Amino acid sequence: EAQVTQNPRYLITVTGKKLTVTCSQNMNHEYMSWYRQDPGLGLRQIYYSMNVEVTDKGDVPEGYKVSRKEKRNFPLILESPSPNQTSLYFCASSAGDRGYYGYTFGSGTRLTVV
Amino acid sequence: GNSVTQMEGPVTLSEEAFLTINCTYTATGYPSLFWYVQYPGEGLQLLLKATKADDKGSNKGFEATYRKETTSFHLEKGSVQVSDSAVYFCALIRDSNYQLIWGAGTKLIIKP
Repeated sequence: EAQVTQNPRYLITVTGKKLTVTCSQNMNHEYMSWYRQDPGLGLRQIYYSMNVEVTDKGDVPEGYKVSRKEKRNFPLILESPSPNQTSLYFCASSAGDRGYYGYTFGSGTRLTVV
Repeated sequence: GNSVTQMEGPVTLSEEAFLTINCTYTATGYPSLFWYVQYPGEGLQLLLKATKADDKGSNKGFEATYRKETTSFHLEKGSVQVSDSAVYFCALIRDSNYQLIWGAGTKLIIKP
């Protein structure tokens, strides 16, 4: 089944403790992206990657890092999480068609930083 | 710049009612337009799309027509069901970096 898999689904952590949210897709998609979803603010893009070793900032990159060493994986790293990073996170991927045929989203990771 | 504006929710309807969720956009060029749906506790799913003016996207009884003259992409369904209760997002693709520009989402509640 074609899918984007995120882990974990739920995570509660403490301020300053480094964490990684994994994202993997099995569709050989070139484009991958991370979003956060907050009430009243909708979806905002954090980082995106157009291909292996090619990443760039989205609209809200502060406090996050990403890497794209393999085509299928695009982990999101929070080096020193803070409470304002409490949010619902989504990973998405798309074939090299510039997203015109739509994106496939993961099921989301609900992160709480206390 | 590029932006998407959706009608505010929640929209509450009775089962079998006619649905319209308004979406208008601002963009340079000719963006592709999308509707995504998010069911409770789940990720977003592509509902339908249109890539050029006058195209009509359709899926699961939902339709939307790309209207360049009014810069709109309104979502419609003739007879809604309780299972259609979800949050609906209108979006467009930014050509420069393939980024999706999102509307704020409209929560739809269908009562039996």
